[in-house]
Amino acid sequence: GESVGLHLPTLSVQEGDNSIINCAYSNSASDYFIWYKQESGKGPQFIIDIRSNMDKRQGQRVTVLLNKTVKHLSLQIAATQPGDSAVYFCAESYTGGFKTIFGAGTRLFVKA
Amino acid sequence: GAVVSQHPSWVICKSGTSVKIECRSLDFQATTMFWYRQFPKQSLMLMATSNEGSKATYEQGVEKDKFLINHASLTLSTLTVTSAHPEDSSFYICSARAPSGEVYNEQFFGPGTRLTVL
Repeated sequence: GESVGLHLPTLSVQEGDNSIINCAYSNSASDYFIWYKQESGKGPQFIIDIRSNMDKRQGQRVTVLLNKTVKHLSLQIAATQPGDSAVYFCAESYTGGFKTIFGAGTRLFVKA
Repeated sequence: GAVVSQHPSWVICKSGTSVKIECRSLDFQATTMFWYRQFPKQSLMLMATSNEGSKATYEQGVEKDKFLINHASLTLSTLTVTSAHPEDSSFYICSARAPSGEVYNEQFFGPGTRLTVL
């Protein structure tokens, strides 16, 4: 299968601060990108997505930025809360494609 | 959003036995479902794509005779781990493509099944 199996990088932030989680994607043909949140022992939970015709999309407390030039994706979480502590994965797909490929993931710790 | 369930949520079995994991889309029909495997502290790795009424498509390196997939209805896909061994112990996650997902492959994920092979 595809994906990268690495030990997860970790981001530690103070409650109330903003968090920025970064992701580099691999396929220049990818045109659909998703951020997922995964809590321990659970399946991935959809957070926000973005299509390649956009470079920014905002949700509730979250913003995704897409830079196609350097194949980079970021997730910004405003006013991070303890409940945001989880592993965050970016994922990529492409129009008409039948696979979603997950990135390595980042573990977010929120300190109270 | 749509709900995808998995059963069982965890299973412990002896080496050499077979284990079946079910994935159901509860409130929508899913012609396509996906099976992923996740080892501790690692990302999700796609194992196979399950298409209703046809054979599954397996990713490179995944043994189709060991991981049997059946997608007999529009709401149910099953993964059977045959002759399980301790190295098959993992977290197995399924997802179902959303009804609007034919173009962009939006998916809804199940809660996962923890398999432990003794």
